[in-house]
Amino acid sequence: AQSVSQHNHHVILSEAASLELGCNYSYGGTVNLFWYVQYPGQHLQLLLKYFSGDPLVKGIKGFEAEFIKSKFSFNLRKPSVQWSDTAEYFCAVIPFSGGYNKLIFGAGTRLAVHP
Amino acid sequence: GAVVSQHPSWVICKSGTSVKIECRSLDFQATTMFWYRQFPKQSLMLMATSNEGSKATYEQGVEKDKFLINHASLTLSTLTVTSAHPEDSSFYICSARKAGTGAGYDEQYFGPGTRLTVT
Repeated sequence: AQSVSQHNHHVILSEAASLELGCNYSYGGTVNLFWYVQYPGQHLQLLLKYFSGDPLVKGIKGFEAEFIKSKFSFNLRKPSVQWSDTAEYFCAVIPFSGGYNKLIFGAGTRLAVHP
Repeated sequence: GAVVSQHPSWVICKSGTSVKIECRSLDFQATTMFWYRQFPKQSLMLMATSNEGSKATYEQGVEKDKFLINHASLTLSTLTVTSAHPEDSSFYICSARKAGTGAGYDEQYFGPGTRLTVT
């Protein structure tokens, strides 16, 4: 079945550690890719998105993601995490099939950053 | 900014009763709103797409008679869970599509969610 997979359900890091969260999708053809973040008690917010062009996308708060088409991947990275990055991170895909298409979410990765 | 609110933020109801959840776009008009359901430790599952002035489009497996959606204005969509049962207990999240926010794509802004518990 077509899907969005996030490999890590729960990640625990110390401050200043580097972060990489995996995301793979199984849709063929053109896709738009997103990472959303949900801080404790808050709503989902867009971190970054990829539509076309440079496969290395920079987002807010020092996050970046790389689209590797051959691997159907869109991994999220941050060189040095902070305690305030503690949140749940969702990868999402819009697989195009004409018209305005819907977001398909991964299961999410819960990140805990310890001081 | 683009703010989406939901009301209530949490609700407890008895089995067999109906519950209405509101989703409002506070500072923009949204011709399209989306309703998602999120189970613990699982992803957001799209339930339906709500279009202002027309019938909602439901995803496969979502009972339209159980989850009634009304999008009567450009800033308000409501989800009514009819004859709720304990298995309907979940976290319901709406999003609103803001037109003109990007080439070929209109960004979705998410509400804070409503936690429904059916006893």
